[in-house]
Amino acid sequence: AQRVTQPEKLLSVFKGAPVELKCNYSYSGSPELFWYVQYSRQRLQLLLRHISRESIKGFTADLNKGETSFHLKKPFAQEEDSAMYYCALSGLTGGGNKLTFGTGTQLKVEL
Amino acid sequence: DAGVIQSPRHEVTEMGQEVTLRCKPISGHDYLFWYRQTMMRGLELLIYFNNNVPIDDSGMPEDRFSAKMPNASFSTLKIQPSEPRDSAVYFCASSLYGNQPQHFGDGTRLSIL
Repeated sequence: AQRVTQPEKLLSVFKGAPVELKCNYSYSGSPELFWYVQYSRQRLQLLLRHISRESIKGFTADLNKGETSFHLKKPFAQEEDSAMYYCALSGLTGGGNKLTFGTGTQLKVEL
Repeated sequence: DAGVIQSPRHEVTEMGQEVTLRCKPISGHDYLFWYRQTMMRGLELLIYFNNNVPIDDSGMPEDRFSAKMPNASFSTLKIQPSEPRDSAVYFCASSLYGNQPQHFGDGTRLSIL
């Protein structure tokens, strides 16, 4: 079974501070992992995916298969980063194209 | 492309009424997904289609919920009869094919009184 865990419902940081949003997953096969972001009252948008190995809006995420984690990081938080962040997993075997989402972490960047 | 289009954006209705939510996926996308988002349970997958065929409906909460995809450019999610606990934001998403990123619509904010 696929499972994604985001242990923090709310993360509050000051502007300019580093950010780390935690995501752990459980999947027996080879997973594909994503981070989606939802700004206030807007649609979910793809932020990044692990196979792209890119930095979007200053965010990066590295897949750590040993720790089964895919934490989202940014060295210096900006006020516009305040949003809801969802980690999601897509199984490459058995799960088809089904995305399993974590429960989300609300990031609040304070001035 | 205008992206995934959902209608209505907001729906307020009384308990017991039938509710129909509509979705137009991005042209050419073979997969379509319906999600429900609540404060308590976060984002839950209800059902998804591949080439208009329902593949996994294990997330559909009860028989009161049904979804159809009569053609590649249109899908509906129906609740009959509706109950207050169905109040949530319902999102539709589509993707090109397996394991590609999903593109979400703006959602339908449903309130059942």
